Amino acid sequence: KQEVTQIPAALSVPEGENLVLNCSFTDSAIYNLQWFRQDPGKGLTSLLLIQSSQREQTSGRLNASLDKSSGRSTLYIAASQPGDSATYLCAVTPLSTGGGNKLTFGTGTQLKVEL
Amino acid sequence: NAGVTQTPKFRILKIGQSMTLQCTQDMNHNYMYWYRQDPGMGLKLIYYSVGAGITDKGEVPNGYNVSRSTTEDFPLRLELAAPSQTSVYFCASSYFPGRSNQPQHFGDGTRLSIL
Repeated sequence: KQEVTQIPAALSVPEGENLVLNCSFTDSAIYNLQWFRQDPGKGLTSLLLIQSSQREQTSGRLNASLDKSSGRSTLYIAASQPGDSATYLCAVTPLSTGGGNKLTFGTGTQLKVEL
Repeated sequence: NAGVTQTPKFRILKIGQSMTLQCTQDMNHNYMYWYRQDPGMGLKLIYYSVGAGITDKGEVPNGYNVSRSTTEDFPLRLELAAPSQTSVYFCASSYFPGRSNQPQHFGDGTRLSIL
């Protein structure tokens, strides 16, 4: 059974710092990996999606990498801002989903960027 | 752009009552999903649908039912509410996963308490 782990569970950093969030998964047979942002009381917003054949994706100050063989992904946030404060979730689509694109989620990293 | 719309946003139920959580999307997505998120946990898939008239169970389907009569709507029904169903429920939709870089889009959630 696929399991997704995110470490740390919570992180507090000063504004302007570069930071890395980690995600690991137990089964490397995945279709893709996604990083989401969740603000309090809100739904999830997709940040980056990496197909299994890709190594990384970039969007603005965000860069996500994928090492499928080791079962790891990182989300790099450059020059963090208070507006980046949120919970970040990673999720994988296992190949064995039976065609349903069913995501398996980690428990998230709660990020706080302080002034 | 409305995206994925969930109603109601909040609800309190008594044990044994029933209710339907509504979800509609205006992106013409084939795939729709229901997840629940318990405090400090990742999202778990309840049911999903790959198109009108087709539904299938996810990881935690017990106590729930779904139907998909149209592409746009995917309601989730609780028949006999139990305290263990207290959670935040998220509906999501996506295109066929074979299309690259097509993430799931989420609604803002329904916060449900069973007392």
